[in-house]
Amino acid sequence: SQTIHQWPATLVQPVGSPLSLECTVEGTSNPNLYWYRQAAGRGLQLLFYSVGIGQISSEVPQNLSASRPQDRQFILSSKKLLLSDSGFYLCAWKFPGRPSSGANVLTFGAGSRLTVL
Amino acid sequence: AQRVTQPEKLLSVFKGAPVELKCNYSYSGSPELFWYVQYSRQRLQLLLRHISRESIKGFTADLNKGETSFHLKKPFAQEEDSAMYYCALSGGILTSGSRLTFGEGTQLTVNP
Repeated sequence: SQTIHQWPATLVQPVGSPLSLECTVEGTSNPNLYWYRQAAGRGLQLLFYSVGIGQISSEVPQNLSASRPQDRQFILSSKKLLLSDSGFYLCAWKFPGRPSSGANVLTFGAGSRLTVL
Repeated sequence: AQRVTQPEKLLSVFKGAPVELKCNYSYSGSPELFWYVQYSRQRLQLLLRHISRESIKGFTADLNKGETSFHLKKPFAQEEDSAMYYCALSGGILTSGSRLTFGEGTQLTVNP
């Protein structure tokens, strides 16, 4: 069966410091990978998604970047954090290819809570 | 562009009462609609999707293309239904990215 892991679960960082959140998926190959930010009252905002190694699509301009150095690894980064980067970040995956009855279902990780002070 | 609107941020009902969580969408093609749920201290997870036409934990949702709605309903709410519910839409059938657009969520509280 497939599993998804995110770490760290909680992170407190000062403004201006770098960030690296990691997400890995096990038990499948070539998954589609996603980074979402969950904010109270604003729902889930898609930040980045990837359909393959080295392929990153950005949904919104921001202070963050994403990378996919390996097939099942997705990293969310920042060179210099801002206060507004605080939030709850969710990684998710789904089966690749054309949507079918099950292929469009996202499976989420447990999330990483980032507090920027 | 695709958009999902959940007009109620908070919804409170009593145990045994019917509950309806509203969801409206905007999409020019044929969308695929989902409801996701996040119980306290648990991961966000799929509750149901419209193409399955199934009832999960007593919840159902019917896609109404005329009204562009996908409301989630349950005839008799239970305390364990208390959670955050998100409506989501997937468009771009021919796009391999197939990203989901989520609504802002509705926090459901079922009181004893």
